[in-house]
Amino acid sequence: DTAVSQTPKYLVTQMGNDKSIKCEQNLGHDTMYWYKQDSKKFLKIMFSYNNKELIINETVPNRFSPKSPDKAHLNLHINSLELGDSAVYFCASSQVGQGYNEQFFGPGTRLTVL
Amino acid sequence: AQTVTQSQPEMSVQEAETVTLSCTYDTSESDYYLFWYKQPPSRQMILVIRQEAYKQQNATENRFSVNFQKAAKSFSLKISDSQLGDAAMYFCAFKEWGGSEKLVFGKGMKLTVNP
Repeated sequence: DTAVSQTPKYLVTQMGNDKSIKCEQNLGHDTMYWYKQDSKKFLKIMFSYNNKELIINETVPNRFSPKSPDKAHLNLHINSLELGDSAVYFCASSQVGQGYNEQFFGPGTRLTVL
Repeated sequence: AQTVTQSQPEMSVQEAETVTLSCTYDTSESDYYLFWYKQPPSRQMILVIRQEAYKQQNATENRFSVNFQKAAKSFSLKISDSQLGDAAMYFCAFKEWGGSEKLVFGKGMKLTVNP
């Protein structure tokens, strides 16, 4: 069983389009995250939700809007895509309050903006 | 703000040999967690090993061990008996204890294992 899944795995689109990436976890965790990995492989937190509540928002443009319909899902919607948005986006989840709260990562979504 | 530095962008090692990956970090906190993640070409992020800052004993996981020097803010990863499957990007990461749950990553290091 896949613990953290993302769809799609690959996304190619034109500048100016709006796209969404979906994430689901079946681990029963209460916290989910979005990380961005740029072309130089640098990974940085974008957002975090705990029980559907936004708790981390790291200087991300307003064009990025996370949505958490329930604690097992955290979707990422991106408006007016730009070339610089091309990256791999990782979803992760953890259960806060359990020791070091290991974060489990999804397989990533490679977004290419043309 | 915490920062994590991996100063070596690439390293190579011969199969069956030992290699050490370096990582330094900066924080004013006294309690925190440190991690090494592996990212093979499949791009899946895999937790290799973790260290709680309050523990003096260095963590070990099979062929992987760390050298945690809290005063020096250093957290190196030693891979013994390197295998071809160890070839990957390795990321050092920091997380506060009891605060923000975000992982702060270093820039990563590409490890090549030569047969």
